[in-house]
Amino acid sequence: DGGITQSPKYLFRKEGQNVTLSCEQNLNHDAMYWYRQDPGQGLRLIYYSQIVNDFQKGDIAEGYSVSREKKESFPLTVTSAQKNPTAFYLCASSIDYYRGAGANVLTFGAGSRLTVL
Amino acid sequence: QQQVKQSPQSLIVQKGGISIINCAYENTAFDYFPWYQQFPGKGPALLIAIRPDVSEKKEGRFTISFNKSAKQFSLHIMDSQPGDSATYFCAARGGGGYQKVTFGTGTKLQVIP
Repeated sequence: DGGITQSPKYLFRKEGQNVTLSCEQNLNHDAMYWYRQDPGQGLRLIYYSQIVNDFQKGDIAEGYSVSREKKESFPLTVTSAQKNPTAFYLCASSIDYYRGAGANVLTFGAGSRLTVL
Repeated sequence: QQQVKQSPQSLIVQKGGISIINCAYENTAFDYFPWYQQFPGKGPALLIAIRPDVSEKKEGRFTISFNKSAKQFSLHIMDSQPGDSATYFCAARGGGGYQKVTFGTGTKLQVIP
């Protein structure tokens, strides 16, 4: 079945540690995204990537980093510079960033919940 | 302004009733308005979507009503069922220099028997 796999589902981090969340898709989608979800705040865009080896900051990129070395993979690193990292993190993908009706119809993974101890 | 304002924050409806969630936007460059449904511990999934040149779209028990002049759109869930209990997000695509999707803050729907 095609879809997006996020791992781990739950992650605990001590203050001062970097952690990396994995996102893999087998949908052959060009674009990938990371969103952060907090209660009452909806989904906020952290980073997005339209194509391999290219990515752009979203609305809340501070304290996060990403890479896009393969079309299928878009890992997110939550660095120690992120002051309030406890949240539910969602990875998504879409067929093509710009093209037609399919553009930005997002398919989401099941999410990773990060808790800072 | 890229905001999409969603209300109410939470909603309790009896089984068989109609659930109504409202959203409003400012940016007239938005060109696509999807609704996502999210169950606890899961990622959101596309439920239904509409383009601004259409005033209504219906898929089964789910209907989007769109008022372009008022810059408002709403989701109606007819004959609401306990299995519809979830968080619903409205969203809007476009505006600015790229096809960004902006989400509302979500509505937690509980359908009681």
